[in-house]
Amino acid sequence: GQSLEQPSEVTAVEGAIVQINCTYQTSGFYGLSWYQQHDGGAPTFLSYNALDGLEETGRFSSFLSRSDSYGYLLLQELQMKDSASYFCAVRVGSNYQLIWGAGTKLIIKP
Amino acid sequence: DTAVSQTPKYLVTQMGNDKSIKCEQNLGHDTMYWYKQDSKKFLKIMFSYNNKELIINETVPNRFSPKSPDKAHLNLHINSLELGDSAVYFCASSPWPEEGTDTQYFGPGTRLTVL
Repeated sequence: GQSLEQPSEVTAVEGAIVQINCTYQTSGFYGLSWYQQHDGGAPTFLSYNALDGLEETGRFSSFLSRSDSYGYLLLQELQMKDSASYFCAVRVGSNYQLIWGAGTKLIIKP
Repeated sequence: DTAVSQTPKYLVTQMGNDKSIKCEQNLGHDTMYWYKQDSKKFLKIMFSYNNKELIINETVPNRFSPKSPDKAHLNLHINSLELGDSAVYFCASSPWPEEGTDTQYFGPGTRLTVL
């Protein structure tokens, strides 16, 4: 079957760097996306990786290794407003199914 | 202009009632989705429509039915509401497979409470 794993919770300090990992076991992989969701809000798109390597967007970067079935989201210069849940999602299979991880709650301490 | 809008934002109703949630997107996307997010924050895809054709139908109860009058709208109708249906329901649209990305644009969500 198709599965996705990410840590349920990560804690970091304001100003630091944090990495949120996402590993997947799927067939027919097309790409990996990351979303941010603040409490009470809707998920918002952060990044998409279809090819191996690092994609950078401001303080956020996302990495993909297709051979390792692994990706991560890197958040630099953490700010209190980055406290949120982060979801990875992969597009897989012959019917282009979208599978979501269970989300990682990022807690930032001053 | 709001890209993906949903109404109502809050919905409180009794068990056994029938209710609908409306969704509209003005992004010109071909694919729209309905998600259910429970109290544990799991995001579950319920349905997706591509050009008015159902392309994913997850194992949801048949009390839930998506209705798409046109490419810009995907409404969710729920019959005989149950306590377990209480959740936040998100509508989303996506340009997939166009544009080389898989961005999902989410609506603000509808918080459904079944009493």
